[in-house]
Amino acid sequence: QEQLVESGGGLVEPGGSLRLSCDASGVIFSDDYMAWIRQAPGKGLEWISYISNSGTTIYYADSVKGRFTISRDNPRTSLYLQMNNLRPEDTAVYFCARDGDYGDYWYFDLWGRGTLVTVS
Amino acid sequence: SYDLNQPPSVSVSPGQAAIITCPAETSEHKSVSWYQQKPGRSPLLVIYQDNQRPSGIPERFSGSNSGGTATLTISGTQPMDEADYFCQACDGATAVFGGGTRLTVL
Repeated sequence: QEQLVESGGGLVEPGGSLRLSCDASGVIFSDDYMAWIRQAPGKGLEWISYISNSGTTIYYADSVKGRFTISRDNPRTSLYLQMNNLRPEDTAVYFCARDGDYGDYWYFDLWGRGTLVTVS
Repeated sequence: SYDLNQPPSVSVSPGQAAIITCPAETSEHKSVSWYQQKPGRSPLLVIYQDNQRPSGIPERFSGSNSGGTATLTISGTQPMDEADYFCQACDGATAVFGGGTRLTVL
C-alpha cells in the first residue's frame, strides 16, 4: 500500500527552526518527484517546494525561498523540509505529496496526512 | 505567475449536477487538476490533466478546460460529495492552487 507519513511538526517561536520528514512506503521512491504543500488553518492549499527524483532539480515558492530547504534521501525513502527563520504566517499543516506525472504536469496523486507547524 | 479564481461556494441539490469553475488569468493553456478535501482529511486527486480521472474516482466526476476556464462537473451529486474542491495548475517552476470552492449538497 502506497503511503506517505509526515513528522516533525510542533510549536516553535518566531525565528526558530524545524525539520519536517516524510517517510514513503509502498512506492518506488527513487522514481518519484515530490513536493511540500501547506494549508494554514481554515485556508486553502499553498505549494511551497518541489524536488525531482534525483534531487538535482528544486523549486521554491517566493514565500519560503531563502528560508526553507527541501531535500531527500532515496535509500531511506524519505523527504525532508528544513525550515529556518520561521514566521507566524508559516503556521499551517504541512503535507508531502507525490507528483504523479514525473515532472511534466505536476499533479499530486498521493498525499500524506500532514503535520502541524505552529509558530507562536 | 497567475491566479486561479474559484467561486468560494457552490450549492446543489442531491442528484443534480454541480459545476465548479476555475478561470485562469492567463491566455496560455494550463493543464488543470482538481482535488477534493473533506474536513480533517488530506486532499484527494479527482481529476488530472484537465479531464483524466484517477483509478477509483467515480465516473460522476468529470473535467474540462476551454477558453481559459477549467470546469469540474459532478453529475448526480451525492451527499458524500460535500467537500472543498481545489483546482491546481503548473506554471513551469511553480504550482498554483485556486482558493477553493466549498460544495454544499442541500
